[in-house]
Amino acid sequence: GENVEQHPSTLSVQEGDSAVIKCTYSDSASNYFPWYKQELGKRPQLIIDIRSNVGEKKDQRIAVTLNKTAKHFSLHITETQPEDSAVYFCAASLDQFYFGTGTSLTVIP
Amino acid sequence: GAVVSQHPSRVICKSGTSVKIECRSLDFQATTMFWYRQFPKKSLMLMATSNEGSKATYEQGVEKDKFLINHASLTLSTLTVTSAHPEDSSFYICSAPTLPGHPGYTFGSGTRLTVV
Repeated sequence: GENVEQHPSTLSVQEGDSAVIKCTYSDSASNYFPWYKQELGKRPQLIIDIRSNVGEKKDQRIAVTLNKTAKHFSLHITETQPEDSAVYFCAASLDQFYFGTGTSLTVIP
Repeated sequence: GAVVSQHPSRVICKSGTSVKIECRSLDFQATTMFWYRQFPKKSLMLMATSNEGSKATYEQGVEKDKFLINHASLTLSTLTVTSAHPEDSSFYICSAPTLPGHPGYTFGSGTRLTVV
């Protein structure tokens, strides 16, 4: 089955700086890569996603890049704000999701 | 938009009892429902996939007899934790594919189970 690895597990940045979270996957057949933001005790919220036929996607301060050859994808958050503090999960999917281990992001005011 | 309603949000039960968690798709039909378990500060772990009208598919290491999954209709899937033990205490969450042919998924709000 699919194996998704995510780094770093924790990340602290100063407000206004950028944050980058990286994930790798093992199954080259995976074709959909969403990113979720989860606040403590709440459901994950989809923040951005990318399909395997696209290399990069941007939505305001959030961007995701995908390298199919290397089987890795990254989440980029620019101009970070304190409300960006949360746990972020990547996932790789073909017919079901396999989640990364999560990154706890703290944005320091 | 598509909504998955999950109940209860929190439940405390005694060891040895059973607890049922329900997930309902409110405005769409969910032929498939995924059930996840999440420990504090950990990722979501897929437990099983339920399919309406057929037996659930369990991930390796998940006890079928302990975590009973039933997908009774196109809008309802249930997870029953039988003979609960303190180690079953966790956050359980379901998700369903939102639209046919679309990879998007909708998550339930989660259930915090505490077994005392």
